[in-house]
Formats: sequence, structure tokens, C-alpha cells
Amino acid sequence: NAGVTQTPKFRVLKTGQSMTLLCAQDMNHEYMYWYRQDPGMGLRLIHYSVGEGTTAKGEVPDGYNVSRLKKQNFLLGLESAAPSQTSVYFCASSSRVSGRGTGELFFGEGSRLTVL
Amino acid sequence: TQLLEQSPQFLSIQEGENLTVYCNSSSVFSSLQWYRQEPGEGPVLLVTVVTGGEVKKLKRLTFQFGDARKDSSLHITAAQPGDTGLYLCAGGGPTSGTYKYIFGTGTRLKVLA
Repeated sequence: NAGVTQTPKFRVLKTGQSMTLLCAQDMNHEYMYWYRQDPGMGLRLIHYSVGEGTTAKGEVPDGYNVSRLKKQNFLLGLESAAPSQTSVYFCASSSRVSGRGTGELFFGEGSRLTVL
Repeated sequence: TQLLEQSPQFLSIQEGENLTVYCNSSSVFSSLQWYRQEPGEGPVLLVTVVTGGEVKKLKRLTFQFGDARKDSSLHITAAQPGDTGLYLCAGGGPTSGTYKYIFGTGTRLKVLA
């Protein structure tokens, strides 16, 4: 059972380059999220989606764009990478009816991005 | 803006000791969740507390939701090396009338054998 899969797991970019992180979930979840994790700052929400074709901004959306063309996929794009975007990125998904309680988030293993 | 602050930020203890981690907010949450994250992995849900004053136990872990639903604590009895990891509290989600989940700053626990 794959759950939530993120690709790539590691990437090094130069300032100004662009890239896309892909998140795929096989649990038929309605909600999907992109977080970034930096030392001492927990997880900060970048963008999220409550259904196919819909996206919304989180706490730190600047410099990122997202798309959810298919229910199972949620893409995070960086149009012009900056060193401040060096971080570990986590995708998560959730359903209204989930295993151990209301709104459990299921996370991928993370994508480590370094911007030089 | 809802914020969740956790304390302590770091904790290093010997195997067999007890510890408590706190999660505090100035906002009321309909529910709070606790996650544990191990190196190189994503967080995994431990428990969700939904009622003010609620106490939930998960083996040696005891979770409490404050009466005012603004704070929560995680108590570990007789800690073991396998408890090592980053503990995160989170609030929000559909039960709180929002789709957004806000995470605390995290408590990094290291249990020494």
C-alpha cells in the first residue's frame, strides 16, 4: 500500500531555476496539503486543496504555485527558486472519514530541496 | 492567526525517566492532534483529542486536552529509546471549521539507553 508518494526525494537547484514536486496519493482522499519544514519552525502550510481543480493559500504561499488537475495528484511548483526556499517539503492528504479519528493527515516521506 | 507553541523545544533524558511535552495556544481548537516524526520520514498520527478535559492513553503515552481547549500535553512514562523522535501537535482541520492544519514548533526528544 503506497499511501502518499513524493518525487523527487532530493534535488539541488541554482538560484532562479524552476522545478516541480509531485505528490501522489492512492487513498482517494479529498484534501491534499503541501508543507515545508525548517529547523525549529515545525511544519508550515504552503498551499492546500480541498478537491480536484481547487487550490488555496496557506501560511507561506509566496514563491510557490500549485495545481490539482487530478484528485490523486498535487503538484508544487517553484518558478524561480531562491536560497530561502531550501527546506524539506512534505505532502499530506486527508479524508473526512479516516482511520483513527477525524481528519488524520497521512504524510509522504519528504523531498529535500537545496537552492544554491 | 492561530499559533501553537510547544515546550520544551529539546529534551534529552535517560531510559526509564518520565517526561511531559506541552502544546499551548491563545486560540480555542475544536480538536488537537499529536504526531511523531522519525528522521527521514513524515509525521505519523498518534492521537486526536476532541473534548475539553479529555485524557487518552496509548500504552505509555498519556494525552490530555485542556478544559478550555487551548492547550494539550503529552506525558511519557518510563521512556524508551524507541520513543526518540520529533513530537508535533497540530490543530485545525474540518472539525474546526477549516481545512487548514496548523502545526506547533515541535519537541525533539532523545532517549538515551
